[in-house]
Amino acid sequence: KAGVTQTPRYLIKTRGQQVTLSCSPISGHRSVSWYQQTPGQGLQFLFEYFSETQRNKGNFPGRFSGRQFSNSRSEMNVSTLELGDSALYLCASRTKELAGEGPYEQYFGPGTRLTVT
Amino acid sequence: LAKTTQPISMDSYEGQEVNITCSHNNIATNDYITWYQQFPSQGPRFIIQGYKTKVTNEVASLFIPADRKSSTLSLPRVSLSDTAVYYCLVGSGYSTLTFGKGTMLLVSP
Repeated sequence: KAGVTQTPRYLIKTRGQQVTLSCSPISGHRSVSWYQQTPGQGLQFLFEYFSETQRNKGNFPGRFSGRQFSNSRSEMNVSTLELGDSALYLCASRTKELAGEGPYEQYFGPGTRLTVT
Repeated sequence: LAKTTQPISMDSYEGQEVNITCSHNNIATNDYITWYQQFPSQGPRFIIQGYKTKVTNEVASLFIPADRKSSTLSLPRVSLSDTAVYYCLVGSGYSTLTFGKGTMLLVSP
């Protein structure tokens, strides 16, 4: 079974621009989460989608948004980019069907490295 | 959400056993403890999960005392390829997985 895929893998944008990142979860997984990772702040939760609905949201400004499609693929959008948005953006999918009672195991993609200049 | 505290970094040598302890004083009754491993520029990878006592799989063991306020990830006979950041998380079901700063483990020859 294919893993979580993210596109593009690398991206360079200019301040003020917007960007859209894409994530395809593992087949059959309906939950997709997005994380931002920077050297200073570590791995921070952005939001999670389940069956096209946002379930949870982290503490990020409204410039960060996302959506999920009926095939569980998800996109994340960042508008009016700032230098501080430079980071590795990770997507993860999970499902309860393969888990017991604990937190359902997350499978992470390779990430998209965004550089804002 | 239960907060976790881990050492920022640890050093070890190849062939040694490494124990990384995580404290989670406010763990809820239905929370499980989960550990992830992350290599540079890659997404975290699930290692092991447990609720109480001891859990062992092919790569690690997880020790959880009766009060569940802490847990210890044990990596037997580490190799250079075990150099990575290790995260301890607590949660259950579809709860949001909050990653702390993790423990940077450096294994030297």
